[in-house]
Amino acid sequence: QLQLQESGPGLAKPSETLSLTCTVSGGSVTSDSSYWTWIRQPPGKGLEWIGHIHYSGTTNYNPSLESRLTISVDTSMNHFSLKLRSVTAADTAVYYCARDDWVSAFDIWGQGTRVTVSS
Amino acid sequence: EIVLTQSPGTLSLSPGERATLSCRASHIVSSNYLAWYRQKPGQAPRLLIYGASSRATGIPDRFSGSGSGTDFTLTIGRLEPEDFAVYYCQQYGSSYPKAFGQGTKVEIK
Repeated sequence: QLQLQESGPGLAKPSETLSLTCTVSGGSVTSDSSYWTWIRQPPGKGLEWIGHIHYSGTTNYNPSLESRLTISVDTSMNHFSLKLRSVTAADTAVYYCARDDWVSAFDIWGQGTRVTVSS
Repeated sequence: EIVLTQSPGTLSLSPGERATLSCRASHIVSSNYLAWYRQKPGQAPRLLIYGASSRATGIPDRFSGSGSGTDFTLTIGRLEPEDFAVYYCQQYGSSYPKAFGQGTKVEIK
């Protein structure tokens, strides 16, 4: 059974880089039909699609974040990662990783990790 | 970019009642790639419906989705206690970003 687990620091300082990893278990990140996705949810607000990556290296990013964002995949470690540069308080959120199966939407989610941006 | 607008913002109902949630897209959703998710407090969202009308694995048949093009509906036949939560629609086709609606909260009346 495929499972996803986010990991990374729960606190980031303004202007620094936020780095998170999502480990895939019970399946392979090299699944051809899967796009590995990051979503975030600021406190008390709705869901925002951040971007995704295919194991081939193809990425798509939310234009609102693209200039600060890098999503990468490590097939040897069976995980994928997010780096968001120059963070501000507006980047404070619960960050989720998920699998986008393309046809059947975001069918598997991690439990989420809370990140606070504060000095 | 496709913008999704959900209505109503809040729905106040009693257990056992029927809930009807709406999602309207600013442009046609390609291939009817429209999904619905339920999010309980403190939890990750869970996929309910994909392809506008297909139930995800393990989702009970009191959940049904309908619609096409720009207008979509999620119906919950009889509300169970665990159904009082926030519901999001999402377009997940080839239009980027893969946006979510702002959510509908179903609360106990």
